[in-house]
Amino acid sequence: ETGVTQTPRHLVMGMTNKKSLKCEQHLGHNAMYWYKQSAKKPLELMFVYNFKEQTENNSVPSRFSPECPNSSHLFLHLHTLQPEDSALYLCASSPLAGVSYEQYFGPGTRLTVT
Amino acid sequence: GEDVEQSLFLSVREGDSSVINCTYTDSSSTYLYWYKQEPGAGLQLLTYIFSNMDMKQDQRLTVLLNKKDKHLSLRIADTQTGDSAIYFCAESMAGSGGYNKLIFGAGTRLAVHP
Repeated sequence: ETGVTQTPRHLVMGMTNKKSLKCEQHLGHNAMYWYKQSAKKPLELMFVYNFKEQTENNSVPSRFSPECPNSSHLFLHLHTLQPEDSALYLCASSPLAGVSYEQYFGPGTRLTVT
Repeated sequence: GEDVEQSLFLSVREGDSSVINCTYTDSSSTYLYWYKQEPGAGLQLLTYIFSNMDMKQDQRLTVLLNKKDKHLSLRIADTQTGDSAIYFCAESMAGSGGYNKLIFGAGTRLAVHP
């Protein structure tokens, strides 16, 4: 247990569906991150939030919409996804967003788009 | 540019030492990390090394950093079956918003056999 939880753990959705992924951290951290892990590709950083403010959008398509209502919770809203969006989506947190702080990862949500 | 490279697969006998290698390209990286990912799980931080260090030892784990060659290695002594997993090397640098941006390698799958 890293103190970062993600729900659901598995999600199957059609291309016309709307769903949301949830991440919660119990570590008192102020920075949260979304990563995408696809087969045979390195982890890709998607979004960064520092003190609830988005500080990075790594050229992510608009069909992915993040939300950070407070420092403990992070959502990823999904709509009209494509089959190539099927991947493991990992959430991470760190005390602050500075370079000296290691990131702690949740277990991920395995997303399948049909 | 930003690039982290690792060999994709390593097979070792139980009880032997494992050495996983990584090369990175950005000499300004402040911290370098090793993460472990077991099947169906997120990434677990194993250890990290600050860029002004040459070596760090933590129980069965030894990290060696050759900053001149931009080479990082992780040695696992007395490798056990429970060490079978994917190991990710990552370098840390400041993102455009001043946050901690991690660049990951593709991961090395370690298989431990009797």
